[in-house]
Amino acid sequence: EVQLVESGGGLVQRGGSLRLSCVASGFTFRNNHMSWVRQAPGEGPEWVSVIYSGGTIYSADSVKGRFTISRDNSKNTVYLQMNSLRVEDTAVYYCARVEQWLGRSFDLWGRGTLLTVSS
Amino acid sequence: EIVLTQSPATLSLSPGERATLSCRASQSVSSYLAWYQQKPGQAPRLLIYDASNRATGIPARFSGSGSGTDFTLTINSLEPEDFAVYYCQQRSDWPATFGQGTKVEIK
Repeated sequence: EVQLVESGGGLVQRGGSLRLSCVASGFTFRNNHMSWVRQAPGEGPEWVSVIYSGGTIYSADSVKGRFTISRDNSKNTVYLQMNSLRVEDTAVYYCARVEQWLGRSFDLWGRGTLLTVSS
Repeated sequence: EIVLTQSPATLSLSPGERATLSCRASQSVSSYLAWYQQKPGQAPRLLIYDASNRATGIPARFSGSGSGTDFTLTINSLEPEDFAVYYCQQRSDWPATFGQGTKVEIK
């Protein structure tokens, strides 16, 4: 089955750190660009970061210098290391596959993992 | 950063009616515009990519149009499962951005 499964969310204090994981299955992970997208309660989605199959990384300004995306193709896994967490980082974090043909949309999403940052 | 503005915020319709959703970009995104459907407690699901291409498994009642700054998602003959929130998203370049959403609710 083609799927993405996130894990690692939880309750963290402001200023703390956490690492999210996303395991892919059912497709050739190493050939795909992968992204993290988050969604705060009651809000629309917000793109966070992307890592290309070749390793190039782009990140939103709101997380630059604090969040780091990485991947391990041997484990079919993409990670999001989150440091210096803020209350406004509270959201459901989704792992998403970048659509392969044009690379301009996200064609497969996980179910998400909830991060709550307390003050 | 490109801002996407969706209208209306809420659309109240009955099953069988047609839904027309709008998305306007603050600058041209060419055809690099996608539409997603999201139901409560679920992840977004890709419906349309590159403005007018249906994603795999998406019914033909969903169609997209537009280019540049003005885009439309049309749902012909609403089915009960179509009542949800719809988001547009652009990726002319990074950062990708999303609209604030249009909720299609049962009248």
